[in-house]
Amino acid sequence: NAGVTQTPKFRILKIGQSMTLQCAQDMNHNYMYWYRQDPGMGLKLIYYSVGAGITDKGEVPNGYNVSRSTTEDFPLRLELAAPSQTSVYFCASTKGGGELFFGEGSRLTVL
Amino acid sequence: AQSVTQLDSHVSVSEGTPVLLRCNYSSSYSPSLFWYVQHPNKGLQLLLKYTSAATLVKGINGFEAEFKKSETSFHLTKPSAHMSDAAEYFCVVSDPKTGGYNKLIFGAGTRLAVHP
Repeated sequence: NAGVTQTPKFRILKIGQSMTLQCAQDMNHNYMYWYRQDPGMGLKLIYYSVGAGITDKGEVPNGYNVSRSTTEDFPLRLELAAPSQTSVYFCASTKGGGELFFGEGSRLTVL
Repeated sequence: AQSVTQLDSHVSVSEGTPVLLRCNYSSSYSPSLFWYVQHPNKGLQLLLKYTSAATLVKGINGFEAEFKKSETSFHLTKPSAHMSDAAEYFCVVSDPKTGGYNKLIFGAGTRLAVHP
């Protein structure tokens, strides 16, 4: 039972570099989400998707981009990494109703 | 605007004693409310959810929460703590007027420590 799989689990970037966080789910969920978690701040929504080809901004989208070409995959692109993007990133999916299934997270450090 | 406040950032209990994690919310409409748990270095997992049915909601691992509209609260309780309950707990609100399940609002979290 794979569920939601995120890669990489850890990454260190230099300021100005770019990278893509990968997220894949095998539950045939239409809804997928990217959150970032900062200490003492809860989770903040970056982007979400309600189905293949449809994405929308969340609360903190600046500095990020997403695409959703298939139901299974929802990659998050960081362009021109900045120290403020140091965080733990979580991908989640759901068929609806508020019960989200989360990946184990990707810890990103920008130096 | 909707918001959620977890009143304690850290709670420490002894094994076998009751657990109370407090959550207050503000919402312009009848919200849906959730509690999620996050064990160290893991993703979040749903404990329970309230969606305007019974006000006392039972979840997994012996947890329950009571929705009190008059107090705008949704506190999480467990009669007897177990060592495996040590984790971070998040109260989450969904307001159908401001995005519904696609724009969940997470509290800052309460870290529960359980001592032998």
